Amino acid sequence: ETGVTQTPRHLVMGMTNKKSLKCEQHLGHNAMYWYKQSAKKPLELMFVYNFKEQTENNSVPSRFSPECPNSSHLFLHLHTLQPEDSALYLCASSQERSALGSYQETQYFGPGTRLLVL
Amino acid sequence: GIQVEQSPPDLILQEGANSTLRCNFSDSVNNLQWFHQNPWGQLINLFYIPSGTKQNGRLSATTVATERYSLLYISSSQTTDSGVYFCAVEIAGNTPLVFGKGTRLSVIA
Repeated sequence: ETGVTQTPRHLVMGMTNKKSLKCEQHLGHNAMYWYKQSAKKPLELMFVYNFKEQTENNSVPSRFSPECPNSSHLFLHLHTLQPEDSALYLCASSQERSALGSYQETQYFGPGTRLLVL
Repeated sequence: GIQVEQSPPDLILQEGANSTLRCNFSDSVNNLQWFHQNPWGQLINLFYIPSGTKQNGRLSATTVATERYSLLYISSSQTTDSGVYFCAVEIAGNTPLVFGKGTRLSVIA
C-alpha cells in the first residue's frame, strides 16, 4: 500500500465512450502525475500538477483531459480514444515539484488502471 | 534528451541467488529512483538515490554519479521479487522523470 489509490483498476471502453480515471493520494503531497505505460515502451509522463496547477503537458492528444480539483485528487477524462491508447495508466504523487530537484520529488505510484480500447 | 539504459533486459534466477541490475545514464542527474513493478502492474518506489549507497533489507543500491551509473543489488532472491525493475532519472527540477526500459526478473523456486 503506497498511499496512492486508483479507480477503476480495469476498464474496457469503446472508441465513442467517455470515461474518467480517478487517482487519490493520502500522503499530503502537492504534486501529482499521470503516466502511460504501453507494451514494450518506457513509461511516458503525460501530465504534471503542482499545487493544483498544471505545469507540464507532454504533447498529449486532446482526447485525454486531466483535472486536479485539489492536491489530493487527480482525474483523467477520456473521450473518443483509439485502440492504440490501450495501456496501463499510472498515477503518482510527490511532496512537491521542486525547481531544484530534491528528495521531495520522490514519486509514489498508484496501482494503475489497465485500459483496453476496443 | 537523456538516455537511460538498463541491463540485463531479462534475468532468471533460482530462489536464494543474488543479482546485480545496472542502470547507465547519459547526463548528470538530480534525481535517480529505482522502482519495482509487480506482476499486477503496481510500481513501488525502492530507493531515491542520486548518489551514494543505501540499503533496505535484502536490497541495496549504489549510484556513482560521476561515472553515470547506478546498481541495484538483490540478495537471497525470493519468488516475490519477480517483476520488472525500473531505473528513472531526472536531470533537473521540473523536468520529466525519464525511465529506462526495465529489467524483467523471474525468480523460480
